[in-house]
Amino acid sequence: KQEVTQIPAALSVPEGENLVLNCSFTDSAIYNLQWFRQDPGKGLTSLLLIQSSQREQTSGRLNASLDKSSGRSTLYIAASQPSDSATYLCAVRVNAGNMLTFGGGTRLMVKP
Amino acid sequence: GAGVSQSPSNKVTEKGKDVELRCDPISGHTALYWYRQSLGQGLEFLIYFQGNSAPDKSGLPSDRFSAERTGGSVSTLTIQRTQQEDSAVYLCASSLDLRAMDTQYFGPGTRLTVL
Repeated sequence: KQEVTQIPAALSVPEGENLVLNCSFTDSAIYNLQWFRQDPGKGLTSLLLIQSSQREQTSGRLNASLDKSSGRSTLYIAASQPSDSATYLCAVRVNAGNMLTFGGGTRLMVKP
Repeated sequence: GAGVSQSPSNKVTEKGKDVELRCDPISGHTALYWYRQSLGQGLEFLIYFQGNSAPDKSGLPSDRFSAERTGGSVSTLTIQRTQQEDSAVYLCASSLDLRAMDTQYFGPGTRLTVL
């Protein structure tokens, strides 16, 4: 059974810092990995999708990498801003099914 | 364009009552998913639909849970004889094509509270 773990569970940083969020998964047989953002009381917003054949994806200040063989992904946020404060979730799509398996999330607080 | 919509946004019910939650996917999306987000369990898959194929119900926690999708569009998740442990946020997502394995777009969720 695929298990997804995110570290740290919570993170507080001052504005302007570069930061890294970590995601690990136990079964490397994945189709893709997706990073989401969730604001309090809201649904999930997709940030980046990395297919299993890709190593990284970039969107603005966000960069996500994927090392499938080691079962790891990182989300890099450059020059963090208070508006980046949210919970970040990673999810993997497995070969044996088409649902997403989610990690527990990292709750990020960027202080002005 | 319009995103995934869900109704109601909040639902409070008494233990033992039945509830229905509705999801309107993005127009043209053939795949639809239901997930549940609760404090103790994180975000869990419940069920998905793809076109006219039989749904994958492998994530439904008990036979009190059922879902249908009419006309390949709107979906309803029904919970019978609700229990307090059913309290959670129920999220619906849709994607363009299951086989393309592309991005899932999520709705805002329905927060269910069972008293």
